[in-house]
Amino acid sequence: KAGVTQTPRYLIKTRGQQVTLSCSPISGHRSVSWYQQTPGQGLQFLFEYFSETQRNKGNFPGRFSGRQFSNSRSEMNVSTLELGDSALYLCASSLELAGGPFASEQFFGPGTRLTVL
Amino acid sequence: TQLLEQSPQFLSIQEGENLTVYCNSSSVFSSLQWYRQEPGEGPVLLVTVVTGGEVKKLKRLTFQFGDARKDSSLHITAAQPGDTGLYLCAGVHNYGGSQGNLIFGKGTKLSVKP
Repeated sequence: KAGVTQTPRYLIKTRGQQVTLSCSPISGHRSVSWYQQTPGQGLQFLFEYFSETQRNKGNFPGRFSGRQFSNSRSEMNVSTLELGDSALYLCASSLELAGGPFASEQFFGPGTRLTVL
Repeated sequence: TQLLEQSPQFLSIQEGENLTVYCNSSSVFSSLQWYRQEPGEGPVLLVTVVTGGEVKKLKRLTFQFGDARKDSSLHITAAQPGDTGLYLCAGVHNYGGSQGNLIFGKGTKLSVKP
Protein backbone atom coordinates (compact mmCIF):
# COMPACT_ATOMS: atom_id res chain seq x y z
CA LYS A 1 0.00 0.00 0.00
CA ALA A 2 1.34 3.43 -0.86
CA GLY A 3 1.92 5.74 2.08
CA VAL A 4 0.68 9.26 2.63
CA THR A 5 1.98 11.61 -0.02
CA GLN A 6 2.35 15.35 0.24
CA THR A 7 3.10 17.89 -2.43
CA PRO A 8 5.11 19.95 -2.79
CA ARG A 9 7.94 18.84 -0.49
CA TYR A 10 9.51 22.30 -0.35
CA LEU A 11 8.06 25.74 -0.88
CA ILE A 12 9.42 29.26 -0.59
CA LYS A 13 6.98 32.15 -0.43
CA THR A 14 7.07 35.79 0.58
CA ARG A 15 5.04 37.56 3.22
CA GLY A 16 1.49 38.33 2.17
CA GLN A 17 1.28 35.55 -0.39
CA GLN A 18 -0.96 32.53 -0.05
CA VAL A 19 -0.12 28.87 -0.37
CA THR A 20 -1.97 25.59 -0.97
CA LEU A 21 -0.57 22.27 0.19
CA SER A 22 -1.86 18.90 -0.93
CA CYS A 23 -2.15 15.54 0.80
CA SER A 24 -3.18 12.12 -0.49
CA PRO A 25 -3.98 9.70 2.34
CA ILE A 26 -3.43 5.97 2.41
CA SER A 27 -6.05 4.20 0.34
CA GLY A 28 -9.07 3.41 2.51
CA HIS A 29 -8.24 6.00 5.17
CA ARG A 30 -11.03 8.53 5.55
CA SER A 31 -9.62 10.75 8.28
CA VAL A 32 -6.99 13.32 7.34
CA SER A 33 -5.34 15.60 9.87
CA TRP A 34 -2.94 18.49 9.40
CA TYR A 35 -0.20 19.53 11.80
CA GLN A 36 2.31 22.34 11.96
CA GLN A 37 5.74 21.47 13.33
CA THR A 38 8.26 24.06 14.48
CA PRO A 39 11.36 23.69 16.69
CA GLY A 40 9.87 25.92 19.38
CA GLN A 41 6.28 24.70 19.53
CA GLY A 42 6.64 21.12 18.41
CA LEU A 43 3.77 19.39 16.63
CA GLN A 44 0.57 21.40 16.75
CA PHE A 45 -2.80 20.23 15.50
CA LEU A 46 -4.37 22.37 12.78
CA PHE A 47 -7.54 20.53 11.77
CA GLU A 48 -9.01 17.17 10.90
CA TYR A 49 -11.31 16.19 8.07
CA PHE A 50 -13.49 13.13 7.89
CA SER A 51 -15.81 12.37 4.98
CA GLU A 52 -15.33 15.86 3.54
CA THR A 53 -16.30 17.56 6.82
CA GLN A 54 -14.06 19.40 9.21
CA ARG A 55 -14.48 17.44 12.41
CA ASN A 56 -12.11 19.33 14.67
CA LYS A 57 -9.95 22.43 14.60
CA GLY A 58 -6.93 23.55 16.57
CA ASN A 59 -6.08 27.03 17.83
CA PHE A 60 -4.92 28.64 14.63
CA PRO A 61 -6.15 31.85 13.01
CA GLY A 62 -8.69 31.85 10.22
CA ARG A 63 -5.89 32.33 7.68
CA PHE A 64 -5.43 28.58 7.93
CA SER A 65 -8.12 26.61 6.18
CA GLY A 66 -8.55 23.24 4.59
CA ARG A 67 -10.86 20.98 2.72
CA GLN A 68 -11.29 17.34 1.84
CA PHE A 69 -12.50 15.90 -1.41
CA SER A 70 -14.73 12.89 -2.02
CA ASN A 71 -11.68 10.71 -2.70
CA SER A 72 -10.33 11.69 0.76
CA ARG A 73 -7.54 13.80 -0.68
CA SER A 74 -7.09 16.99 1.29
CA GLU A 75 -5.69 20.44 0.80
CA MET A 76 -4.78 23.12 3.25
CA ASN A 77 -4.50 26.80 2.45
CA VAL A 78 -2.69 29.56 4.27
CA SER A 79 -3.52 33.10 3.21
CA THR A 80 -1.60 36.30 3.90
CA LEU A 81 1.55 34.45 4.89
CA GLU A 82 3.58 35.67 7.85
CA LEU A 83 7.20 34.96 8.71
CA GLY A 84 6.03 32.85 11.65
CA ASP A 85 4.23 30.48 9.30
CA SER A 86 7.57 29.01 8.29
CA ALA A 87 7.33 25.41 9.41
CA LEU A 88 7.05 21.78 8.40
CA TYR A 89 3.42 21.02 7.59
CA LEU A 90 2.53 17.40 8.13
CA CYS A 91 -0.49 15.55 6.92
CA ALA A 92 -1.58 12.31 8.56
CA SER A 93 -4.30 9.83 7.76
CA SER A 94 -5.93 7.23 9.95
CA LEU A 95 -8.23 4.31 9.37
CA GLU A 96 -10.94 5.26 11.86
CA LEU A 97 -12.52 1.87 12.39
CA ALA A 98 -15.49 2.92 14.52
CA GLY A 99 -13.31 4.24 17.33
CA GLY A 100 -11.26 2.24 19.79
CA PRO A 101 -7.70 2.74 20.99
CA PHE A 102 -6.05 2.11 17.64
CA ALA A 103 -8.42 4.16 15.51
CA SER A 104 -6.47 7.38 15.95
CA GLU A 105 -3.06 5.97 15.05
CA GLN A 106 -1.62 8.47 12.64
CA PHE A 107 0.20 7.64 9.43
CA PHE A 108 2.21 10.70 8.48
CA GLY A 109 3.41 11.93 5.15
CA PRO A 110 6.94 13.34 4.71
CA GLY A 111 5.70 16.90 5.12
CA THR A 112 5.95 20.13 3.17
CA ARG A 113 8.71 22.46 4.32
CA LEU A 114 7.37 26.01 3.94
CA THR A 115 9.74 28.94 4.18
CA VAL A 116 8.28 32.45 4.28
CA LEU A 117 10.70 35.25 3.42
CA THR B 1 -4.85 22.96 28.23
CA GLN B 2 -3.67 19.43 28.73
CA LEU B 3 0.05 19.09 28.18
CA LEU B 4 2.41 16.23 27.64
CA GLU B 5 5.87 16.93 28.98
CA GLN B 6 8.71 14.94 27.51
CA SER B 7 12.13 14.64 29.09
CA PRO B 8 14.91 15.00 28.44
CA GLN B 9 14.57 17.37 25.50
CA PHE B 10 17.95 16.33 24.11
CA LEU B 11 20.03 13.21 24.66
CA SER B 12 23.40 12.41 23.15
CA ILE B 13 24.90 9.01 23.92
CA GLN B 14 27.42 6.51 22.62
CA GLU B 15 26.48 3.38 20.75
CA GLY B 16 25.80 0.52 23.13
CA GLU B 17 24.48 2.64 26.01
CA ASN B 18 20.99 2.28 27.48
CA LEU B 19 18.59 5.17 27.83
CA THR B 20 15.11 6.04 29.02
CA VAL B 21 12.89 8.90 27.89
CA TYR B 22 9.78 10.02 29.70
CA CYS B 23 6.38 11.38 28.83
CA ASN B 24 4.37 12.89 31.69
CA SER B 25 1.05 14.60 32.13
CA SER B 26 -1.40 15.59 34.83
CA SER B 27 -4.20 14.22 32.64
CA VAL B 28 -5.40 10.67 32.26
CA PHE B 29 -5.21 9.31 28.75
CA SER B 30 -7.26 6.55 27.19
CA SER B 31 -4.19 5.41 25.29
CA LEU B 32 -0.78 6.71 24.38
CA GLN B 33 1.22 6.46 21.18
CA TRP B 34 4.97 6.70 20.56
CA TYR B 35 6.42 7.91 17.27
CA ARG B 36 9.93 8.31 15.89
CA GLN B 37 10.73 11.03 13.39
CA GLU B 38 13.91 11.12 11.35
CA PRO B 39 15.21 14.34 9.77
CA GLY B 40 13.28 15.32 6.67
CA GLU B 41 10.53 12.78 7.27
CA GLY B 42 7.20 12.54 9.04
CA PRO B 43 6.78 10.71 12.36
CA VAL B 44 6.37 6.94 12.20
CA LEU B 45 4.20 5.13 14.73
CA LEU B 46 6.16 2.73 16.95
CA VAL B 47 3.55 1.51 19.41
CA THR B 48 0.22 2.20 21.10
CA VAL B 49 -0.23 1.38 24.78
CA VAL B 50 -3.73 1.11 26.16
CA THR B 51 -3.90 -0.47 29.60
CA GLY B 52 -2.45 1.05 32.79
CA GLY B 53 0.78 -0.77 33.65
CA GLU B 54 1.07 -2.24 30.17
CA VAL B 55 4.54 -3.06 28.87
CA LYS B 56 5.22 -3.56 25.16
CA LYS B 57 8.50 -4.58 23.59
CA LEU B 58 9.67 -3.85 20.09
CA LYS B 59 13.12 -5.47 19.66
CA ARG B 60 15.42 -3.30 21.83
CA LEU B 61 12.67 -0.79 22.68
CA THR B 62 10.48 -1.25 25.76
CA PHE B 63 7.42 0.94 26.26
CA GLN B 64 5.54 1.23 29.53
CA PHE B 65 2.25 2.92 30.31
CA GLY B 66 1.92 4.18 33.88
CA ASP B 67 -0.57 2.50 36.19
CA ALA B 68 -2.64 5.69 36.36
CA ARG B 69 -2.38 6.20 32.57
CA LYS B 70 -0.87 9.67 33.04
CA ASP B 71 2.68 8.86 32.02
CA SER B 72 4.77 6.60 29.85
CA SER B 73 8.41 5.70 29.31
CA LEU B 74 10.49 4.40 26.46
CA HIS B 75 13.63 2.43 27.28
CA ILE B 76 16.19 1.60 24.61
CA THR B 77 18.75 -1.11 25.30
CA ALA B 78 22.14 -1.03 23.60
CA ALA B 79 21.34 2.00 21.47
CA GLN B 80 22.53 2.05 17.87
CA PRO B 81 23.12 4.97 15.48
CA GLY B 82 19.97 3.93 13.64
CA ASP B 83 17.96 4.84 16.76
CA THR B 84 18.83 8.49 16.21
CA GLY B 85 15.76 10.66 15.78
CA LEU B 86 13.04 12.64 17.49
CA TYR B 87 10.85 10.54 19.77
CA LEU B 88 7.33 11.86 20.22
CA CYS B 89 4.61 10.70 22.55
CA ALA B 90 0.96 11.46 21.87
CA GLY B 91 -1.90 11.01 24.29
CA VAL B 92 -5.43 10.15 23.27
CA HIS B 93 -8.17 11.50 25.49
CA ASN B 94 -11.09 9.54 24.21
CA TYR B 95 -12.07 7.26 21.42
CA GLY B 96 -14.66 7.53 18.73
CA GLY B 97 -12.97 9.80 16.30
CA SER B 98 -11.84 13.39 16.25
CA GLN B 99 -8.09 13.69 16.04
CA GLY B 100 -8.27 16.90 18.04
CA ASN B 101 -8.12 14.64 21.05
CA LEU B 102 -4.56 13.59 20.17
CA ILE B 103 -2.08 15.66 22.19
CA PHE B 104 1.60 15.55 21.20
CA GLY B 105 4.57 16.20 23.42
CA LYS B 106 7.46 18.30 22.05
CA GLY B 107 9.70 15.29 21.78
CA THR B 108 13.09 14.00 22.84
CA LYS B 109 15.85 14.45 20.30
CA LEU B 110 18.16 11.44 20.53
CA SER B 111 21.60 11.26 18.96
CA VAL B 112 23.52 7.99 19.12
CA LYS B 113 27.16 8.32 18.17
CA PRO B 114 29.09 5.35 16.76
